[in-house]
Amino acid sequence: AQSVTQPDIHITVSEGASLELRCNYSYGATPYLFWYVQSPGQGLQLLLKYFSGDTLVQGIKGFEAEFKRSQSSFNLRKPSVHWSDAAEYFCAPNFGNEKLTFGTGTRLTIIP
Amino acid sequence: DAGVTQSPTHLIKTRGQQVTLRCSPKSGHDTVSWYQQALGQGPQFIFQYYEEEERQRGNFPDRFSGHQFPNYSSELNVNALLLGDSALYLCASSLMDNEQFFGPGTRLTVL
Repeated sequence: AQSVTQPDIHITVSEGASLELRCNYSYGATPYLFWYVQSPGQGLQLLLKYFSGDTLVQGIKGFEAEFKRSQSSFNLRKPSVHWSDAAEYFCAPNFGNEKLTFGTGTRLTIIP
Repeated sequence: DAGVTQSPTHLIKTRGQQVTLRCSPKSGHDTVSWYQQALGQGPQFIFQYYEEEERQRGNFPDRFSGHQFPNYSSELNVNALLLGDSALYLCASSLMDNEQFFGPGTRLTVL
């Protein structure tokens, strides 16, 4: 069965600290992988994507993600978070069927 | 480029009524997908339209229907509204199977 898991429902980090949000998937092949961010009451903004090739991908707003085939993971990272990064983050694989399957999301809170 | 636009922004309906939501895709995009996002959850795929045909459908009842027009814009219709249909409805556009760009959504409240 195809599925995606974001194990962390809520993460709190201090401004300036590093961040890693986890994403794991279950699929018989490598899906297209996406990370989206959603601010309160807003739509979804694409942070970065992985289709193939280099397993470390760079995105907007200083985010990056690393695809690890052996772990079926696509974790999102940022070296130093800013207060404006507070939002909901969604991992969304495309399992080859033209639609996105969203995880339950991770809510990020930034403390001064 | 205006990006993906959706109308209306907010909508309040009562149970049993019908609603139509609208979406204009990003310029150059030919595929429109609709998602439902209940409060505190991730978006759930409703269906996708390409070349004016429903190409794929998620696990939603027939009360949910849609349409795509020759200019690629799309409508989502929901009949016989239930309280559980209250959600943020997101439209996303793409060019064939490439990345999807999302609109700001329509917040539907069913009383």
